[in-house]
Amino acid sequence: KAGVTQTPRYLIKTRGQQVTLSCSPISGHRSVSWYQQTPGQGLQFLFEYFSETQRNKGNFPGRFSGRQFSNSRSEMNVSTLELGDSALYLCASSLATGAPPSSTDTQYFGPGTRLTVL
Amino acid sequence: ILNVEQSPQSLHVQEGDSTNFTCSFPSSNFYALHWYRWETAKSPEALFVMTLNGDEKKKGRISATLNTKEGYSYLYIKGSQPEDSATYLCAARGFKTIFGAGTRLFVKA
Repeated sequence: KAGVTQTPRYLIKTRGQQVTLSCSPISGHRSVSWYQQTPGQGLQFLFEYFSETQRNKGNFPGRFSGRQFSNSRSEMNVSTLELGDSALYLCASSLATGAPPSSTDTQYFGPGTRLTVL
Repeated sequence: ILNVEQSPQSLHVQEGDSTNFTCSFPSSNFYALHWYRWETAKSPEALFVMTLNGDEKKKGRISATLNTKEGYSYLYIKGSQPEDSATYLCAARGFKTIFGAGTRLFVKA
């Protein structure tokens, strides 16, 4: 079974631009979560999607948004990029057999997208 | 869930040494504690999911315990090997997921 895939793997943008990152979960997984990792910081929770609905949201400004499609694929968008948005963005999927997803569901992470904002 | 702390921040051990790390979390509103291993240039890999006070999980030479009343979990590695070198992350999952900053383990052959 293929793992979680993220595209693109690397991205360079300039301040003020916007960016869209994509995450394809493991086949059959219904929950997708997004995380940001910056140097010196642990993984910061961005949001979680389940059945095309945003279930949870972390403490990030409204410039960070996301969505989930009917096939569970998810996209994350960052508008008006700032230098501080340079980070590794990870997505993770879980099976989520229950609704809502359980906090005990194992999350499987993708390889991440490394975003550099110049 | 407010904050998850991990200690030590980094650890250097010799091959064959046994070692352990700590993850502390607010015990209120606790649902589950997850441990991950994150090797350089790879994705974080799930090790354990723990929910019950007194839980003890084991996978090969790695084991973990959970104390939900006092809000901590220990991860143990017995007989460390160079391939155990990685960052070990814990995450407290409730309504949201809060990760610790990780413990970076270096195992020298």
